[in-house]
Amino acid sequence: GAVVSQHPSWVICKSGTSVKIECRSLDFQATTMFWYRQFPKQSLMLMATSNEGSKATYEQGVEKDKFLINHASLTLSTLTVTSAHPEDSSFYICSARDSRVSSYNEQFFGPGTRLTVL
Amino acid sequence: QKEVEQNSGPLSVPEGAIASLNCTYSDRGSQSFFWYRQYSGKSPELIMSIYSNGDKEDGRFTAQLNKASQYVSLLIRDSQPSDSATYLCASHRGGNKLVFGAGTILRVKS
Repeated sequence: GAVVSQHPSWVICKSGTSVKIECRSLDFQATTMFWYRQFPKQSLMLMATSNEGSKATYEQGVEKDKFLINHASLTLSTLTVTSAHPEDSSFYICSARDSRVSSYNEQFFGPGTRLTVL
Repeated sequence: QKEVEQNSGPLSVPEGAIASLNCTYSDRGSQSFFWYRQYSGKSPELIMSIYSNGDKEDGRFTAQLNKASQYVSLLIRDSQPSDSATYLCASHRGGNKLVFGAGTILRVKS
């Protein structure tokens, strides 16, 4: 149980284009999903918390108009990097929390999406 | 002061030895704690969670929590080269977010 998938696993795009990354919880419902970014040899950085049916909560310093998050169902959240630039190249990882087990707070991570902006 | 602190390492241990990974946290309100393993180029994988003071064992892994000292540790017995990875400590204090440490690099040498 507690499997989270991401698509695509890697993407290369031209500067100025937009890229959409999908995060799905495959065998559980996730009212809350999280989006992280990780640069090489650095730790995870939480970008935003995605809540099903409501607006995402962004961490300080993360541009909400650049990183659009949609959590339309209990099993799917999407992150769209708009007008991507080379400095947005990074490893984007989502995680999800099983809403059925309210007393626990484990987050289960997807496999990540490696974005390269040329 | 960072909320969750870990020694970045690398921690090098010989194969078969016990690896001891340590983590301290600053928020006394933190209630649950997690250890994640992250291989290079991969996403983190949950390996242990602990909520109460004391030890929790799962196979070769033992998590230890001491809330009075604000200290969490992970012991890996019979360390294998495949255990070589970065180990992330995380705490939860309420709300939805986890707070992650920067991670400790473990190298198990055969």
